[in-house]
Amino acid sequence: QSALTQPPSASGSPGQSVTISCTGTSSDVGGYNYVSWYQQYPGKAPKFMIYEVSKRPSGVPDRFSGSKSGNTASLTVSGLQAEDEADYYCVSYTGSNNVIFGGGTKLTVL
Amino acid sequence: QLQLQESGPGLVEPSETLSLTCVVSGGSISDGTSYWAWIRQPPGKGLEWIGTVYHTGTTYYNPSLKSRVTISVDTSKSQFSLKLSSVTAADTAVYYCARLYLGTTGDYWGQGTLVTVSS
Repeated sequence: QSALTQPPSASGSPGQSVTISCTGTSSDVGGYNYVSWYQQYPGKAPKFMIYEVSKRPSGVPDRFSGSKSGNTASLTVSGLQAEDEADYYCVSYTGSNNVIFGGGTKLTVL
Repeated sequence: QLQLQESGPGLVEPSETLSLTCVVSGGSISDGTSYWAWIRQPPGKGLEWIGTVYHTGTTYYNPSLKSRVTISVDTSKSQFSLKLSSVTAADTAVYYCARLYLGTTGDYWGQGTLVTVSS
């Protein structure tokens, strides 16, 4: 069970948009609409930002959006703000109540 | 508001068994939509799912850790537990407990507890 593939880093200037990809297989990302995204600040617990590919929990700014095409899911952060600088992880359901994490992406706001 | 709190020794000797407990408050551990998970994060590295337990006691484990992991639930105490045997330095990590809504989405997390494996 290999981790989902995310780019190690991503960056953008304030106000710009950045997209983070999460690539898996037909057994995980491509097979289920249960991809979620988490934001993690150093020393803090992860916070879920997107669930079921594109749904936003209450309290999460609409600058955060999710999508999926085939075996790749994506998280887009629009109108980048300094507070968006954090690590981001994707997670996919893989069946039989198993889940798998991505390797994480460090987002830098330039 | 659901709250989860991990507890357990912060230092474990190599080859011993790591034991942690997560107490759930502010909601029912027996809620039918809730699955309870352990997730870990080695220092400076990414997150790794360890396993999940349902309130009935049914468990699901990461295949890479399955031989060493036992997760159990005690609904009377509203808590679930992790045991990881034969630990090595590679098991040094922050261990989080979390609720997985419908077994898929970690919507509530504990604050995490650092466990160091060292003699």
